[in-house]
Amino acid sequence: TQLLEQSPQFLSIQEGENLTVYCNSSSVFSSLQWYRQEPGEGPVLLVTVVTGGEVKKLKRLTFQFGDARKDSSLHITAAQPGDTGLYLCAGENTDKLIFGTGTRLQVFP
Amino acid sequence: GAGVSQSPRYKVAKRGQDVALRCDPISGHVSLFWYQQALGQGPEFLTYFQNEAQLDKSGLPSDRFFAERPEGSVSTLKIQRTQQEDSAVYLCASSFPGGNTIYFGEGSWLTVV
Repeated sequence: TQLLEQSPQFLSIQEGENLTVYCNSSSVFSSLQWYRQEPGEGPVLLVTVVTGGEVKKLKRLTFQFGDARKDSSLHITAAQPGDTGLYLCAGENTDKLIFGTGTRLQVFP
Repeated sequence: GAGVSQSPRYKVAKRGQDVALRCDPISGHVSLFWYQQALGQGPEFLTYFQNEAQLDKSGLPSDRFFAERPEGSVSTLKIQRTQQEDSAVYLCASSFPGGNTIYFGEGSWLTVV
């Protein structure tokens, strides 16, 4: 059973558009991570957020951890075809990661 | 090796057959995790080892699933009497204990026919 719900489930946009992916839970997590996964590969860590309200930027990607540490968002500015992939949030729960349902992003040139 | 290595990469099993999936973690990584990922979904936790000790196996879906890490390095996930619903990618990951970063292998793709 997934404790983390992501929305939207699918997102198909044109190059240059902005987008936001949401990750919501009723549980509090000590930290939350975002991963990107490409077909045939394992997830690769993008960022870890630890403090409620924390904002981290990674080039065109902005990650925010909710004040109550139950939710998070990922915002991509000026999306590029190379951003295409499955984006996963994951909350730390007693030494293991609980993954979200995933958001599949397709960016067309 | 430099990363987490899993084998086989692809496995087709007939229903009822037993399968064994192997994971070689990054050298020195104490923690090892197994996840199951259905097509288009997020990975679901199966089990977790610290060295040779299996600290959490709450995610194993049935008693047909068994994992071991006898010497605290290589781990094997065994699935007995496979069923079609076992078809998925099985991901292995490793990390230092308490480390924020876990590293995933490329996964073993299991198809049960």
